[in-house]
Amino acid sequence: ILNVEQSPQSLHVQEGDSTNFTCSFPSSNFYALHWYRWETAKSPEALFVMTLNGDEKKKGRISATLNTKEGYSYLYIKGSQPEDSATYLCAFNAGNNRKLIWGLGTSLAVNP
Amino acid sequence: NAGVTQTPKFQVLKTGQSMTLQCAQDMNHEYMSWYRQDPGMGLRLIHYSVGAGITDQGEVPNGYNVSRSTTEDFPLRLLSAAPSQTSVYFCASSPRAGTGGRETQYFGPGTRLLVL
Repeated sequence: ILNVEQSPQSLHVQEGDSTNFTCSFPSSNFYALHWYRWETAKSPEALFVMTLNGDEKKKGRISATLNTKEGYSYLYIKGSQPEDSATYLCAFNAGNNRKLIWGLGTSLAVNP
Repeated sequence: NAGVTQTPKFQVLKTGQSMTLQCAQDMNHEYMSWYRQDPGMGLRLIHYSVGAGITDQGEVPNGYNVSRSTTEDFPLRLLSAAPSQTSVYFCASSPRAGTGGRETQYFGPGTRLLVL
């Protein structure tokens, strides 16, 4: 059974803090790793799709790294802002079968 | 572009009733899918389609039917609603079906379904 785990489950930080969270996935049959941002009462929005070991992606203050050999990806937020408050989901795809296995997400709250 | 749209936003059903959740996208995407979101569980794939006339089962297909007669529309039918189908349902689409799990998915706003 393929399993994707995210940690921590939730996080509270102060405005301006930098933070990071983890997505762990099976290291065999890796094809792609997705990060999505999900705000309350909205739908998930894509942040990154990562496909190669050692990949680093960046969008503004948010960046992500990928280690397929050990099966983890980190998402970093630099200088958190209240508008960064959301649940951050990762999803793993094995072997090009179109089926994403989703984690439960890390819920981030940024206090002003 | 409206993106991915879903109707209704909220629905209450009685056990045994049937209904269709509508999903449409105006981006000419090949791939469309339905997920359900339940507390304490990740998004789970119900059914998906790689193009008009082609559908396949996901992780939790029982109790649901789909069809894809056009590129734009991908309705999800509940044949005989059960309380276990109380959930939030999301439709998603991706531009191309051929690159499999490397495609970004674009999600609709969701339909909240309560089965009594």
